[in-house]
Amino acid sequence: AQSVTQLGSHVSVSEGALVLLRCNYSSSVPPYLFWYVQYPNQGLQLLLKYTTGATLVKGINGFEAEFKKSETSFHLTKPSAHMSDAAEYFCAVSGGKLIFGQGTELSVKP
Amino acid sequence: EAQVTQNPRYLITVTGKKLTVTCSQNMNHEYMSWYRQDPGLGLRQIYYSMNVEVTDKGDVPEGYKVSRKEKRNFPLILESPSPNQTSLYFCASSSLQGFQYEQYFGPGTRLTVT
Repeated sequence: AQSVTQLGSHVSVSEGALVLLRCNYSSSVPPYLFWYVQYPNQGLQLLLKYTTGATLVKGINGFEAEFKKSETSFHLTKPSAHMSDAAEYFCAVSGGKLIFGQGTELSVKP
Repeated sequence: EAQVTQNPRYLITVTGKKLTVTCSQNMNHEYMSWYRQDPGLGLRQIYYSMNVEVTDKGDVPEGYKVSRKEKRNFPLILESPSPNQTSLYFCASSSLQGFQYEQYFGPGTRLTVT
């Protein structure tokens, strides 16, 4: 069975600061891992995904995530936050269907 | 434009009054799914469909029905809504090859049951 835990339901950063959103997963099979973003009043949009191959994956809007099997983690990072990054972020794992984490709301202070 | 549409976007109703939330996709996707999003719980799958006339329960199917008579449409039916079904609902679709990899989401329907 698969599960996802996102550490921190709310994260606040200053504009220009590093963004780090944490995700740990549990999977009995090699996982496929995803980060989705939900902007206010919108549906979910895929930011990036890891299936196989390179463990550092780059997504849209300057985000990237690194798959660390030994740590069962897939943390999302962005070197410099922008006001437009304010949104809710969901980590998800797939082993047959998508299992979502609880979500992390990112706020960006000017 | 490739998209998943949902209607209505907002709905306030009373306990017991049957309602239907429609979902339509224009990408010829075989796989469609309904999720509900609740604070602190993330998204949980209600029902999914692998193709026309093929539907199955997700993690939280109680109180919901679905049908898949056409490939593009996947309506969610609440025959007797209750306040605990107040939530934000998302429809999603993908190809059969891609449902484990990437799903395309609609804009959401915010339902309030009083």
